[in-house]
Amino acid sequence: GQQVMQIPQYQHVQEGEDFTTYCNSSTTLSNIQWYKQRPGGHPVFLIQLVKSGEVKKQKRLTFQFGEAKKNSSLHITATQTTDVGTYFCAGVRTTSGTYKYIFGTGTRLKVLA
Amino acid sequence: SQTIHQWPATLVQPVGSPLSLECTVEGTSNPNLYWYRQAAGRGLQLLFYSVGIGQISSEVPQNLSASRPQDRQFILSSKKLLLSDSGFYLCAWSAGNNEKLFFGSGTQLSVL
Repeated sequence: GQQVMQIPQYQHVQEGEDFTTYCNSSTTLSNIQWYKQRPGGHPVFLIQLVKSGEVKKQKRLTFQFGEAKKNSSLHITATQTTDVGTYFCAGVRTTSGTYKYIFGTGTRLKVLA
Repeated sequence: SQTIHQWPATLVQPVGSPLSLECTVEGTSNPNLYWYRQAAGRGLQLLFYSVGIGQISSEVPQNLSASRPQDRQFILSSKKLLLSDSGFYLCAWSAGNNEKLFFGSGTQLSVL
């Protein structure tokens, strides 16, 4: 079946350092979404990328969708303690007209003050 | 505005007991509904999704079942829980295909 892998699984950074998580799908995606889950919480939607090669920014966060629509990345510039949590990508793929959201394995970010 | 309610927040059940988790959505009609399970420190596994009343699609063979008796109600059930059913269960909805997911606050299920 379709798999969406993320690396790294864990990342510890000093506050102020940059952070990047990578997402790779075994199949071409219709689009990709990113979610953040704070410790003890539920995933919250961050952004959706649709076009091949698309780049979107949200303040210190930069999201990129690969040209082949099979990979994506999230880059955080100058991390803050509020960035702590697990970041998930979710590949959206159509199957017989139904859209399925297949989540990546997640990257758990810890920011050390 | 739309809201999603999921309960209970935590549940401890003995092996072999039944399960019923309920999820309701308010403020929208005909949502797509989803059940996900998250094992400790792991990613989200799609269990079931529904595009309409009585329409349930299962992603993985398992000890669980889902039902959608009403437009905005999604229920996750089991007749006999297994130890491996422990995990964090999340209900989610979307306004339609290709839309973002809104998650409920989750149910932490411990099967002992």
